[in-house]
Amino acid sequence: GAVVSQHPSWVICKSGTSVKIECRSLDFQATTMFWYRQFPKQSLMLMATSNEGSKATYEQGVEKDKFLINHASLTLSTLTVTSAHPEDSSFYICSARQGSTYGYTFGSGTRLTVV
Amino acid sequence: SQELEQSPQSLIVQEGKNLTINCTSSKTLYGLYWYKQKYGEGLIFLMMLQKGGEEKSHEKITAKLDEKKQQSSLHITASQPSHAGIYLCGAPATSGTYKYIFGTGTRLKVLA
Repeated sequence: GAVVSQHPSWVICKSGTSVKIECRSLDFQATTMFWYRQFPKQSLMLMATSNEGSKATYEQGVEKDKFLINHASLTLSTLTVTSAHPEDSSFYICSARQGSTYGYTFGSGTRLTVV
Repeated sequence: SQELEQSPQSLIVQEGKNLTINCTSSKTLYGLYWYKQKYGEGLIFLMMLQKGGEEKSHEKITAKLDEKKQQSSLHITASQPSHAGIYLCGAPATSGTYKYIFGTGTRLKVLA
């Protein structure tokens, strides 16, 4: 079945630094990937839609300059949290869509802690 | 915008008991997915429902889709500690869209 690999699983960084999270589709090509954010005890909130070869589409309220998304190939999308602050601490999950169905596969998530 | 509301928000049951989780949409459902998540981990796909009246089962978990009520239910029979986790329903925001929204989640704890 479709597998999406997300790295790192967890990361701790200092305030003001940038962190890059990778999302890879291992056995299929994904023209579209999605980035979600999950706060403790809350549901997943869609942050942006990552489109291969073009700019990402951000949801309302998500800062484009803070959460940089790059989808340079059909198997890799990256989310870079720039100038991270403690309020950016959260659980980030990516997903990718395989084929023409609505099916989505999710990565294992990345827990970001900014200190 | 469409919203998915789940009930109950949390549930504690004794091992062996049956339970039901509901997911109600504020707008028309164009398919619905159920996922399970353990704290701090990714989502595990459980099942997908695409047609009204559709019912699917996997091991001890059964899910139904009622398009008219814009609702889906997830039923677990003879619950086990391994069923514990967060259950999330998800659906396309609109027909034909890649955008996906999620329910508010139901935290399930099964007491041994």
